[in-house]
Amino acid sequence: DVKVTQSSRYLVKRTGEKVFLECVQDMDHENMFWYRQDPGLGLRLIYFSYDVKMKEKGDIPEGYSVSREKKERFSLILESASTNQTSMYLCASSLSAGATTLSYEQYFGPGTRLTVT
Amino acid sequence: KQEVTQIPAALSVPEGENLVLNCSFTDSAIYNLQWFRQDPGKGLTSLLLIQSSQREQTSGRLNASLDKSSGRSTLYIAASQPGDSATYLCAVRPGFSGGYNKLIFGAGTRLAVHP
Repeated sequence: DVKVTQSSRYLVKRTGEKVFLECVQDMDHENMFWYRQDPGLGLRLIYFSYDVKMKEKGDIPEGYSVSREKKERFSLILESASTNQTSMYLCASSLSAGATTLSYEQYFGPGTRLTVT
Repeated sequence: KQEVTQIPAALSVPEGENLVLNCSFTDSAIYNLQWFRQDPGKGLTSLLLIQSSQREQTSGRLNASLDKSSGRSTLYIAASQPGDSATYLCAVRPGFSGGYNKLIFGAGTRLAVHP
C-alpha cells in the first residue's frame, strides 16, 4: 500500500514564525502536491512538484514556498506565518502521467492542522 | 476555468437508506473523476476513480457514475450505515494536462447516517 506521512498532525505557531511542513511518500511517486483545506472552500492546490528540484505554482501559492531535494520528500514552507494561514494542510503523491497515458490516483497523507496565533 | 460543485452540502439520513450524492463540473474535458471520503480531522481516502471513457465504477455498496457530456457524476451508497458518516469529496482531473495530474475539488457533502 502507498503510504504518505506528514511530520505533524497538529502544529501551533506564532505570527511571523517560519514554519516547515514535511511530507514523505514511500512509493517512488514522481508527483507530489500540497493542498490547504478550509471550510466551505474545499481543497485548494498550493504547489506541486513533478520531479526532484522541480516545482510549479498551484492556485494559491502566495505566502508559501516548497522544497523537493529528494524524490520521496516534499516540504511546504511558510516564510512568515500569518493568522490567515491557519488551516488544514494535506500532502498527496501520485505516479506521473503523460498526455497519452492514464492518469493515476492521488494518495493523501493524514493532514497537518496548523494554527497561527 | 474548471469549477466543481457538490450538492447537497450536508445530508442526514436514517440507517438503511439508499442515497445519492451529486457532483457537477463546468468543463467536460476531463481525464477522470475521483471520489474521496474524509473522516473528521483526517486525510482523504480514495473510494472510486472513473476514467473519462467509462460510465461507472463499483466498489462494494458504492457505485459512481459519470456523464461527461453533461458534466455530472453521482455517488450512490446502498443500504447506508452509521460507519458511512463522513465528508465525501469529488475531484476532477483536467483534460489538458499542463495539468501534471492536478485535481480540482468540490467543497464536499457532509453525510450523517443515524442508527
